[in-house]
Amino acid sequence: GNSVTQMEGPVTLSEEAFLTINCTYTATGYPSLFWYVQYPGEGLQLLLKATKADDKGSNKGFEATYRKETTSFHLEKGSVQVSDSAVYFCASLTGSYIPTFGRGTSLIVHP
Amino acid sequence: EPEVTQTPSHQVTQMGQEVILRCVPISNHLYFYWYRQILGQKVEFLVSFYNNEISEKSEIFDDQFSVERPDGSNFTLKIRSTKLEDSAMYFCASTESAGDQPQHFGDGTRLSIL
Repeated sequence: GNSVTQMEGPVTLSEEAFLTINCTYTATGYPSLFWYVQYPGEGLQLLLKATKADDKGSNKGFEATYRKETTSFHLEKGSVQVSDSAVYFCASLTGSYIPTFGRGTSLIVHP
Repeated sequence: EPEVTQTPSHQVTQMGQEVILRCVPISNHLYFYWYRQILGQKVEFLVSFYNNEISEKSEIFDDQFSVERPDGSNFTLKIRSTKLEDSAMYFCASTESAGDQPQHFGDGTRLSIL
């Protein structure tokens, strides 16, 4: 079956540090891949997506590249802000149209 | 921007009681979903709904659970006889169509079973 594995959190960084949150997937076929962000007290919001190999999704300074050879979709940001503190979920979507979510990675950014 | 809204934000219920969680999906969306997130764990799919019927459900969605679209705007999740392990955040989501669509989530209902 499909699965998504994310690095365990929390990830704690100082403001302006470089961020990487690892995500790998297993899936039948070629899934679309997503990153969602969940701010405290809110639901999940789509952050970025990529639908085929070598696509790069980007939004709000975050980027992730769909790597078929390593079945990965790592989230990166060059300089994090305190306002980026949230839980980040990696997800895959295949023909069933029901996304498979990872466990989420909590990011804490200190001033 | 249109939003998915959920009520209540927090529901506290005695074990064995029935609860109904309510959602108003985005008005032109046709596909509706419920997810569960137990504290500290991953978001788990419960059920999807289209054209007034369940299109897919997970193993979690057993006979204790039911969904309904009682009118043109609401989409409800009912848990018939709650158990302690039903305590979780419940998220409603909707999409305009099937296929490669990101889901639009509500802010969730925190369900606490005592």
